[in-house]
Amino acid sequence: GAVVSQHPSWVICKSGTSVKIECRSLDFQATTMFWYRQFPKQSLMLMATSNEGSKATYEQGVEKDKFLINHASLTLSTLTVTSAHPEDSSFYICSTLPGTKNIQYFGAGTRLSVL
Amino acid sequence: KQEVTQIPAALSVPEGENLVLNCSFTDSAIYNLQWFRQDPGKGLTSLLLIQSSQREQTSGRLNASLDKSSGRSTLYIAASQPGDSATYLCAPCQYGNNRLAFGKGNQVVVIP
Repeated sequence: GAVVSQHPSWVICKSGTSVKIECRSLDFQATTMFWYRQFPKQSLMLMATSNEGSKATYEQGVEKDKFLINHASLTLSTLTVTSAHPEDSSFYICSTLPGTKNIQYFGAGTRLSVL
Repeated sequence: KQEVTQIPAALSVPEGENLVLNCSFTDSAIYNLQWFRQDPGKGLTSLLLIQSSQREQTSGRLNASLDKSSGRSTLYIAASQPGDSATYLCAPCQYGNNRLAFGKGNQVVVIP
C-alpha cells in the first residue's frame, strides 16, 4: 500500500496558538487529500477535501477561517488550526487519493491537545 | 448524506471464536467499501477493500462480503486471537466524490 506521512503525531499547545499539521504522500502524487477529525468514541468525520492548486471544499459546520488548508503541491497538504481552543482537542487524520485509483490511504494521525 | 451503522457496537469473545461484524449503509451508489482496523489512539490500518462489482474479498483469516443493493457488508474474522482486539471501521466510498463515510465502529475484545 501507499505510504502517507503525517506530522506531528502528537502536539500539546496553549489556547490561542496556531498548530500546523502536515500530510505527505511519499510514493505517489495525490491530486486529492482529505482531512478528518475524530473525537473520543466517535466516528471519523470529514472536515474538508483538499485539491492541489485550488481552494479546499469544507463540510457543513467546519469553519474555513479556523481550519486553514493548503495543498500547494501534489505530495503535501497542510492543515492549520488557528487560535486553537480546548474544544479543538481531537484526533486529526489525513488521507490521500491517487489519481489512478478510488482508494484512500491514511496517515497515522495527529493528536492535538489544547490546554 | 451517507449514514453508516455498525452492529454490534461492542463485543467480547473468548479466543478462538469466529467474529461477525455487521455494517449497513444508506446510499448504495458507492465505488467500493473498505474495512479498517483502529487501535486505541492510533490511525487506521486498511484490512480489506471490496469493489462495488465484487461480492466478497478474503485476506488470511479475514473475509468481507458486500451486498451493495441492500447496503450491507459483513466482516468475518476466523479463529479470533487476542491481537485482533481493536475497533473495526466500515467505510463505503461515495460514487462521484470519493468521500468515505465512517460508522462508529465495532469494538472487539478477544479474551485469552
